[in-house]
Amino acid sequence: DAGVIQSPRHEVTEMGQEVTLRCKPISGHNSLFWYRQTMMRGLELLIYFNNNVPIDDSGMPEDRFSAKMPNASFSTLKIQPSEPRDSAVYFCASSLQGSYEQYFGPGTRLTVT
Amino acid sequence: GEDVEQSLFLSVREGDSSVINCTYTDSSSTYLYWYKQEPGAGLQLLTYIFSNMDMKQDQRLTVLLNKKDKHLSLRIADTQTGDSAIYFCAVDIPDSNYQLIWGAGTKLIIKP
Repeated sequence: DAGVIQSPRHEVTEMGQEVTLRCKPISGHNSLFWYRQTMMRGLELLIYFNNNVPIDDSGMPEDRFSAKMPNASFSTLKIQPSEPRDSAVYFCASSLQGSYEQYFGPGTRLTVT
Repeated sequence: GEDVEQSLFLSVREGDSSVINCTYTDSSSTYLYWYKQEPGAGLQLLTYIFSNMDMKQDQRLTVLLNKKDKHLSLRIADTQTGDSAIYFCAVDIPDSNYQLIWGAGTKLIIKP
């Protein structure tokens, strides 16, 4: 059974460019989470979806960040325009509805120069 | 709101036991988890305990829960170099649509 799939694994971009991170959750999982991990702030929840609907986006840092989940098997996190302080590892995780157990993807390491 | 705290680093000798500690603030939390993050990888569920349990053992791993003190610990017996990782404590946020609150993670360093 494939786990959570994220792409790309690494992204290097210049300040001001648009960045799109992609996630495919585990088949059958109803909830999807986007996290950001940095040395300074640790693991932060950005947004999570339940049955493709955003439930809590209070962790999204600002309007430059947006996330979508057009169907049960795909989600994107977009940053436009990107800034150097957005450099971090972005994780996607999924879980079954009614469960607290989250399964993480390998992450996307984003570097904005 | 709920808060989870962990020490940032723990250094142990290979073959010794490692004990990673975590404290949390919400006494109504029911599900308490330990996740492991190896270098360059995502977080992986290691073990968990329910709030109605005091202890759970799984091979080299022992989880202890002191509900009165709101203290959770993970003991790794016979620590090996492969146990080098960051260990995250996470607890449920009651009535939160199944969100978890995460500790900062404890980096376990193994000395030869």
